[in-house]
Amino acid sequence: EADIYQTPRYLVIGTGKKITLECSQTMGHDKMYWYQQDPGMELHLIHYSYGVNSTEKGDLSSESTVSRIRTEHFPLTLESARPSHTSQYLCASSEYGTSGSPFFGPGTRLTVL
Amino acid sequence: AQTVTQSQPEMSVQEAETVTLSCTYDTSESDYYLFWYKQPPSRQMILVIRQEAYKQQNATENRFSVNFQKAAKSFSLKISDSQLGDAAMYFCAYRSYMEYGNKLVFGAGTILRVKS
Repeated sequence: EADIYQTPRYLVIGTGKKITLECSQTMGHDKMYWYQQDPGMELHLIHYSYGVNSTEKGDLSSESTVSRIRTEHFPLTLESARPSHTSQYLCASSEYGTSGSPFFGPGTRLTVL
Repeated sequence: AQTVTQSQPEMSVQEAETVTLSCTYDTSESDYYLFWYKQPPSRQMILVIRQEAYKQQNATENRFSVNFQKAAKSFSLKISDSQLGDAAMYFCAYRSYMEYGNKLVFGAGTILRVKS
């Protein structure tokens, strides 16, 4: 079934740990995005990718990094987690062209102690 | 830069009644897309409805319809015959027609509560 997956769904981790949030989609979409969302607040774009080997920073500055080695996979990494990174991270993808509407994954809720 | 404003942090509606969620936006562009997304508690965000700015006809999807007023830069969502499953956070979003990256600009969201 065509969908977009994120793992883990919930993560509680200590300060200073390295973490990777996984995002995979089976829709063959070229474009993928990472949004950060604090509880009950708007979404802010932190990274996006137009395709393999393409990554760009979004509108909100983030200490995280991303990679796009395969079309279907767009992981986000924090080298050293801090309490300020506590948030929900939403991955999304959309098809090529200007008319596509992004599809969202279920999100990863990250808590850094 | 474009901005999206949702002035209602929270709304309530009785089951089977109609509710309208407000959204205004600011842009200097003439061609763009507008969206309403629904985010149920602890669940995936899904697209509710989408409007192309060059279309004068308001978009409709079953019980969901929009009132698109281009000159006023207003894009409200009407939910008819509200159901308990409609309870969620609703986000209004804007995307430039020329935006190759399909990047969305979101409003702050409106929490919709449905009373039985």
